[in-house]
Amino acid sequence: IAGITQAPTSQILAAGRRMTLRCTQDMRHNAMYWYRQDLGLGLRLIHYSNTAGTTGKGEVPDGYSVSRANTDDFPLTLASAVPSQTSVYFCASSDSTGGHNEQFFGPGTRLTVL
Amino acid sequence: GQNIDQPTEMTATEGAIVQINCTYQTSGFNGLFWYQQHAGEAPTFLSYNVLDGLEEKGRFSSFLSRSKGYSYLLLKELQMKDSASYLCACMDSNYQLIWGAGTKLIIKP
Repeated sequence: IAGITQAPTSQILAAGRRMTLRCTQDMRHNAMYWYRQDLGLGLRLIHYSNTAGTTGKGEVPDGYSVSRANTDDFPLTLASAVPSQTSVYFCASSDSTGGHNEQFFGPGTRLTVL
Repeated sequence: GQNIDQPTEMTATEGAIVQINCTYQTSGFNGLFWYQQHAGEAPTFLSYNVLDGLEEKGRFSSFLSRSKGYSYLLLKELQMKDSASYLCACMDSNYQLIWGAGTKLIIKP
């Protein structure tokens, strides 16, 4: 693989179900991020990780959890999905967190919660 | 609070020049980014400004005025493939990106 990948590409989920969105990068980037993108709104940060073993809450963390057991993987879990979590989810990574460190984005996961 | 404003939609003609403006209010400032996002795809990095002035990169240029909380992205010699959304994002004092809602640019032949 080259860059950052996400799985699944899309998913339809019943409300109340648990779901994990996967994200893997092979660039050895320290920092990783999860965003959601909704029509008419900017990308909103859900959770982030500045380095393996650490995580932090973003702007909209409620209903989501993350883990960062190693450098490459940063899964996002919805413990009990609700319709308001219908969105496009992007995972991103950057070499570090300061200054001119562009974020590289995965292709996204389109999630529909019914 | 933190806020990024940019126009929702703009239309321009192939071969012309277009300027997309962005104004921002953030807690602290560690740079401003522009990203391009084609429909159904991921955002991709275009430019980064942290000092006042113009940064030129091929057909694309980005300008920053920190005192005015203002930036613009200038696209020259527009091509049909430039039809996309352009996202403005500021890095705040915590080194988190605050994103605008994006400007959808429509290019007409």
